[in-house]
Amino acid sequence: EIVLTQSPATLSLSPGERATLSCRASQSVSSYLAWYQQKPGQAPRLLIYDASNRATGIPARFSGSGSGTDFTLTISSLEPEDFAVYYCQQRSNWHFGQGTRLEIK
Amino acid sequence: EVQLVESGGGLIQPGGSLRLSCAASGFTVSSNYMSWVRQAPGKGLEWVSVIYSGGTTYYADSVKGRFTISGDNSKNTLYLQMNSLRAEDTAVYYCARVQIRWFDPWGQGTLVTVSS
Repeated sequence: EIVLTQSPATLSLSPGERATLSCRASQSVSSYLAWYQQKPGQAPRLLIYDASNRATGIPARFSGSGSGTDFTLTISSLEPEDFAVYYCQQRSNWHFGQGTRLEIK
Repeated sequence: EVQLVESGGGLIQPGGSLRLSCAASGFTVSSNYMSWVRQAPGKGLEWVSVIYSGGTTYYADSVKGRFTISGDNSKNTLYLQMNSLRAEDTAVYYCARVQIRWFDPWGQGTLVTVSS
């Protein structure tokens, strides 16, 4: 069973800063990885699929990279609405990582 | 507009049963893969079940044998029948359309609380 490990658990940054979130798979998932954003009280929203493709309507400041076992979600310049929890997910067994909370510093 | 609306959650005693519904609009449930994902209070996302357009179903080990996913073509609705409920099944349950193997979009969720 493939396990996804996200780091850090919590990331404290200020608006305008660059955010880098990591997701590591216990074995290769090729490029079959997605990222979701979840704000308090809301359903998750698909941000990135196939490691680097932005979903419809997702701003260009969000980008994804990586393949195999190591993946990164980058937010180039944080906006106030970007502070949320981010999850990665792989397509082999549908499972998610444990999440990274991005909070305002 | 593609939209999913869940209903059917509530307070249920341990050992009880509940059926969740997910009404879809803007697309046909039977032509898509559909899934349920849950989130326990303050916790992360846990995949629960998926149904393929051909009817094949898969379940997380934690719910296998107790939960059943199904669809109703006439109502364009996805269901999750939950039996033998346990306290650890307490969560917000989301339905989602599966695009390739990504979940998009998601419904707003329905809360299931298992407690005596």
